[in-house]
Amino acid sequence: EIVLTQSPATLSLSPGERATLSCRASQSVSSHLAWYQQKPGQAPRLLIYDASNRATGIPARFGGSGSGTDFTLTISSLEPEDSAVYYCQQFNSWPPLTFGGGTKVEIK
Amino acid sequence: EVQLVESGGGLVQPGGSLRLSCAASGFTFGNYWMSWARQAPGKGLEWVAKIKQDGSEKYYVDSVKGRFTVSRDNTNNSLYLQMSSLRAEDTAVYYCARDPGVGQGSGWSYWGQGTLVTVSS
Repeated sequence: EIVLTQSPATLSLSPGERATLSCRASQSVSSHLAWYQQKPGQAPRLLIYDASNRATGIPARFGGSGSGTDFTLTISSLEPEDSAVYYCQQFNSWPPLTFGGGTKVEIK
Repeated sequence: EVQLVESGGGLVQPGGSLRLSCAASGFTFGNYWMSWARQAPGKGLEWVAKIKQDGSEKYYVDSVKGRFTVSRDNTNNSLYLQMSSLRAEDTAVYYCARDPGVGQGSGWSYWGQGTLVTVSS
C-alpha cells in the first residue's frame, strides 16, 4: 500500500501570501497524483490532476508540481475563499487507492 | 451536465445492513470505472471500493472486504454499495465518484454530494 504523508497539518497565512503544501509518497507514484480542495459540508473538488495540470475552472493561482515521491501544491496568492482542507490522492498503484491525511489552510 | 446523486444513508444498528445507491446522469455511465469513498466525522478521505465498467472486476479496501459489495446497473445508470455487518467505525459520509476515463488524467472530477451512514445503537 502506498502511504501519502501531507505536511504541514495546518497552515495559517494572510490573504495575498503564498501557500506551499507538501505530499510525500512512500514509493513512486510517477505523476499519477491529484489534489483536492474540501470545504465544510461539501464534497471534495478536483484542483490538480496528473500532478501538475489544473482541472477545468480552477484559478491560475493554484499550481501543482513534482513527480515520483515528492509533490507540492502551491497557492500563489491566498484569497479568503481558499480556506479549506486540501488532500492528495494517488492513482499509480491500487488497490488500495490512497489519500493523504490532509492539510488545513486557515486564512488569518 | 454530469451528476452523481447518492441516497440510502441513515441510522443503522451495529451488525445491521444498508444499501447505498448512486444515480448517474450526464455521461455514458457504462464507459467508466466507478468508486465509493467515505469520510468519517472530522476525519480524512478513504477509498472504499471500485468497480469496472462491466462489473467484472471489483476491489475493496481491506477493512470492508467480506462485508461490503459494490455493484452496478448500466441499464439504469446506477451504482450500489451493499453494506452488511456494519460497525461503529463505518460511520461516515459515503461518496460515489467517477473514475478517470481512458486518456483522461488521474483525478476524480465528479463526486456526489454524499450520504451519511450512522452506525449506532
